[in-house]
Amino acid sequence: DVQLTQSPSFLSASVGDRVTITCRASQGITSSLAWYQQKPGKAPKVLIYAASTLQSGVPSRFSGSASGTEFTLTISSLQAEDFATYYCQQLRTFPLTFGGGTMVEVK
Amino acid sequence: EVQLVESGGGLVQPGGSLRLSCAASGVTFSDYYMDWVRQAPGKGLEWVGRSRNKVYSYTTEYAASVKGRFTISRDDSKNSLDLQMNSLKTEDTAVYYCTRSERYSNAWFPIFWGQGTLVTVSS
Repeated sequence: DVQLTQSPSFLSASVGDRVTITCRASQGITSSLAWYQQKPGKAPKVLIYAASTLQSGVPSRFSGSASGTEFTLTISSLQAEDFATYYCQQLRTFPLTFGGGTMVEVK
Repeated sequence: EVQLVESGGGLVQPGGSLRLSCAASGVTFSDYYMDWVRQAPGKGLEWVGRSRNKVYSYTTEYAASVKGRFTISRDDSKNSLDLQMNSLKTEDTAVYYCTRSERYSNAWFPIFWGQGTLVTVSS
């Protein structure tokens, strides 16, 4: 199975901060990775797919990038509505797997 | 507008069965891959299984944790996706989400998600 190691697990930040979350795959998955945002009691919402493609309607402060088996989600200027948990998922190989999640909390 | 609405969740005893349904609107259902994803209380996301589209004969894939116990089926005439869950275990307790995937660059990405339905397995 492809293991996705997401870091950090927990992040404390302030409005306006630049935030970076990393997802490292245990083997090559090409660009078959998505990023999701989840708020308490709500379904996940896709932010980025194919490693760097911004989903329609998602603010441009969110961006994704890839370098080999390391994937990065960046929030250029954190807003109040961005405090949430973020997950990565690989869609290359079965079983499809998720990272463990990164909770972004108010500093 | 794409809408996915799950139903069928509830309380079931260990060893019991439950059938979840996902009703889709706003789409040509047969064109898309559909997944089930679950989330145990206070835990992360876990992929459960996938149904490919009509072009790929609706073939399915499952996570090892549910293979042989869970079955995904779909009725395109009703725009409905089902998850039949048998031999349920306490560790199957979770919110179950239905998702609709879209193809991009040779992979299918779950773009649309339902609101989820809670399954509780307990005696």
